[in-house]
Amino acid sequence: TQLLEQSPQFLSIQEGENLTVYCNSSSVFSSLQWYRQEPGEGPVLLVTVVTGGEVKKLKRLTFQFGDARKDSSLHITAAQPGDTGLYLCAGGLITGNQFYFGTGTSLTVIP
Amino acid sequence: EAQVTQNPRYLITVTGKKLTVTCSQNMNHEYMSWYRQDPGLGLRQIYYSMNVEVTDKGDVPEGYKVSRKEKRNFPLILESPSPNQTSLYFCASSFSRTSYEQYFGPGTRLTVT
Repeated sequence: TQLLEQSPQFLSIQEGENLTVYCNSSSVFSSLQWYRQEPGEGPVLLVTVVTGGEVKKLKRLTFQFGDARKDSSLHITAAQPGDTGLYLCAGGLITGNQFYFGTGTSLTVIP
Repeated sequence: EAQVTQNPRYLITVTGKKLTVTCSQNMNHEYMSWYRQDPGLGLRQIYYSMNVEVTDKGDVPEGYKVSRKEKRNFPLILESPSPNQTSLYFCASSFSRTSYEQYFGPGTRLTVT
């Protein structure tokens, strides 16, 4: 069983549409990160959210950390073909030193 | 240039033939990890190291060994590879576990026949 569940697993949308990706857990995380991965490359960090309820914006991307620090969401406004990729949430629990990744959301933005 | 390097990038081997995948970082990071990535399962942590000579199991350590004799290097050893270890492997590092920002290597595509 994955500690972090992402939904949807696959998403195909038209350029200009908005979308939201969800990352959920029953465990409390000290922080959550979002990464983007291109085919054949390693994941690259987009953002880290640390405080419950925190909202961070990165251009057209908005990230939110749930109040209870068990979930997070990524919202993309007016998606562009360049947003195409695999989006991964990840984080460490309050106790322990392991790091966990979500199952991933594969996004395709069609021109 | 700050980076994490892995070698080899691609490897095809046979069951039971010992292999080592090297990982090196030049950022003086304390925390290093190995992950495997499989379709539908995301990235799963195999082993991690908090610092030199300190290693611990992640979620899927069976069949793997690691060592951390120097801060910059964190090799992944498969003593007797099996076909279920066919996967895409990533090494990652971060300044410390609490800094959370992990930097990833380019990946090693391993096929065990």
